Amino acid sequence: GAVVSQHPSRVICKSGTSVKIECRSLDFQATTMFWYRQFPKQSLMLMATSNEGSKATYEQGVEKDKFLINHASLTLSTLTVTSAHPEDSSFYICSAREAGAGGYTFGSGTRLTVV
Amino acid sequence: GNSVTQMEGPVTLSEEAFLTINCTYTATGYPSLFWYVQYPGEGLQLLLKATKADDKGSNKGFEATYRKETTSFHLEKGSVQVSDSAVYFCALSQAGNNRKLIWGLGTSLAVNP
Repeated sequence: GAVVSQHPSRVICKSGTSVKIECRSLDFQATTMFWYRQFPKQSLMLMATSNEGSKATYEQGVEKDKFLINHASLTLSTLTVTSAHPEDSSFYICSAREAGAGGYTFGSGTRLTVV
Repeated sequence: GNSVTQMEGPVTLSEEAFLTINCTYTATGYPSLFWYVQYPGEGLQLLLKATKADDKGSNKGFEATYRKETTSFHLEKGSVQVSDSAVYFCALSQAGNNRKLIWGLGTSLAVNP
């Protein structure tokens, strides 16, 4: 079945630095990619939706200059957390959808800790 | 707007007990409905789905029926196992708007031996 590879699975970074998270669709073309943030014991919060080759659409309250999303190819999307601060520590999850297909495939998530 | 309401957890059951996790939704038209599962320390996995009224999704002994008259998609399993311990999320998607998913808050299930 469809697989989305998300890396890294865990990252610890210093406050003020930037962190890049990658999601790759391994056996299908991810025309749409969704980026989520999940707080402990809470549901997923959609941060942004991106279509290949287009600018991402951010949800209300999500800073687009802080959470940079690039979806330059049909198999790769990246989320860069810029100038990270401790409050950005969270679990980030990507999800990909192929055009015309009904399903969503999720990456295994990235645990970001900013110290 | 569209929304999903799930029963609050945590739910604690003994092995072989019957499980029901309630999910109701608010949406216009005919959304697709999903149950996702998140095992400890892992990402989300699709458990089952239904795309039209009266459809029944099933997988791994879990079932859920798309009930348009009650706008519900309750998750059931006749005999739970310890390995079913996880967080379960109900979600819906609609045509358009990139078909983004609308999520319930999740229900944590703990199954004791």
